[in-house]
Amino acid sequence: AQKVTQAQTEISVVEKEDVTLDCVYETRDTTYYLFWYKQPPSGELVFLIRRNSFDEQNEISGRYSWNFQKSTSSFNFTITASQVVDSAVYFCALSEGVLTGGGNKLTFGTGTQLKVEL
Amino acid sequence: ETGVTQTPRHLVMGMTNKKSLKCEQHLGHNAMYWYKQSAKKPLELMFVYNFKEQTENNSVPSRFSPECPNSSHLFLHLHTLQPEDSALYLCASSQVSLRGDNEQFFGPGTRLTVL
Repeated sequence: AQKVTQAQTEISVVEKEDVTLDCVYETRDTTYYLFWYKQPPSGELVFLIRRNSFDEQNEISGRYSWNFQKSTSSFNFTITASQVVDSAVYFCALSEGVLTGGGNKLTFGTGTQLKVEL
Repeated sequence: ETGVTQTPRHLVMGMTNKKSLKCEQHLGHNAMYWYKQSAKKPLELMFVYNFKEQTENNSVPSRFSPECPNSSHLFLHLHTLQPEDSALYLCASSQVSLRGDNEQFFGPGTRLTVL
């Protein structure tokens, strides 16, 4: 069975610190997709990034960067120079591929609550 | 309206009530999803619809009854719920792809409290 583990339940940092959120996954599939979502207090999950299993290049988007390592089954997320607006719950998710009949099934981790304080 | 909208945002109901949650997506997607988010638990997929046809029912109790009249609208009908059903119910949509790689776009959720 597929599984996503986010061992960090809650992280608190002071503004401008860098912070890394860990994500470890388990799958037997050779083709899979990994996602990160942000859930601010408003409740809506906001899509941040998708990574497929064939592409191990790290990605940077502004203050956000992602480190994908198949050898350790990890897909970690780093926020550089954190800001108060980054405070949210962050979820890592794994796609199990296409469901029979269509749609795709995401397996989510339990999330990491990030608190950025002044 | 843009993205995925959900109404109501908050709902309090008794165990004998019947209520419905509504979701609408304005993204032209063809798949829609219901998730349940309880405290300290991963998001749980409940139902998946593709072009109005249900493709996944993740062993959800029959007191939850989904309805998808078209690709843009999704309902979750609730009746005789239990207090443990109190949670945030999230709706999502995506474009179906052959690889299963498309991201899902989420609505803001309905915070449900069952008394």
